[in-house]
Amino acid sequence: DIQMTQSPASLSASVGDRVTITCQASQDISNYLNWYQQKPGKAPNLLIYDASNLETGVPSRFSGSGSGTDFTFTISSLQPEDIATYYCQQYDNLFTFGPGTKVDIK
Amino acid sequence: EVQLVQSGAEVKKPGESLKISCKASGYNFTNYWIGWVRQMPGKGLEWMGIIYPDDSDTRYNPSFQGQVTISSDKSITTAYLQWSSLKASDTAIYFCARTGSVDWFDPWGQGTLVTVSS
Repeated sequence: DIQMTQSPASLSASVGDRVTITCQASQDISNYLNWYQQKPGKAPNLLIYDASNLETGVPSRFSGSGSGTDFTFTISSLQPEDIATYYCQQYDNLFTFGPGTKVDIK
Repeated sequence: EVQLVQSGAEVKKPGESLKISCKASGYNFTNYWIGWVRQMPGKGLEWMGIIYPDDSDTRYNPSFQGQVTISSDKSITTAYLQWSSLKASDTAIYFCARTGSVDWFDPWGQGTLVTVSS
């Protein structure tokens, strides 16, 4: 089965900072990679699908890139409402979620 | 509006059975897969399994195969997750979510908290 890793496990940044999270798959998954945001006490919310496609209604400060085994998720200018845990998820072989990256404000 | 509304929180004892539900509305229920995802206290997301309500085709994460049963009733556009004998380690929030082509999950239900304690 496909394993997913994310780094860092947590980060603290200032409002307006550029934030980058990486996700690595244990084997080539092409672009079959999605990103979710989960705010405390809420259900996850799809932000990016197929590695780089922004879901309708999601602010343009969120973006994704990558293919194969290495992927990147970026928040171009961190906002207070972006405090959340972010998960990557592969679907090349059914589903696997990454362990998550917790983002908070410095 | 596409919506998934889950049943309420449950408190159960070890060894008891449980069936939680996920009621879908706003789309053709039989044309999309429904998945279940576990989130243990303070932990990440774990995919448990998916079902295609049109023909009840079901796929399980091997880690959950035999531990839970996923089913659906297309006459009432509802998917289910059930346990025959709960353990304390089943304490978690369980989310249902729609997936179109076994790709991404969107939208999600609000989650059902299951607490198993003697």
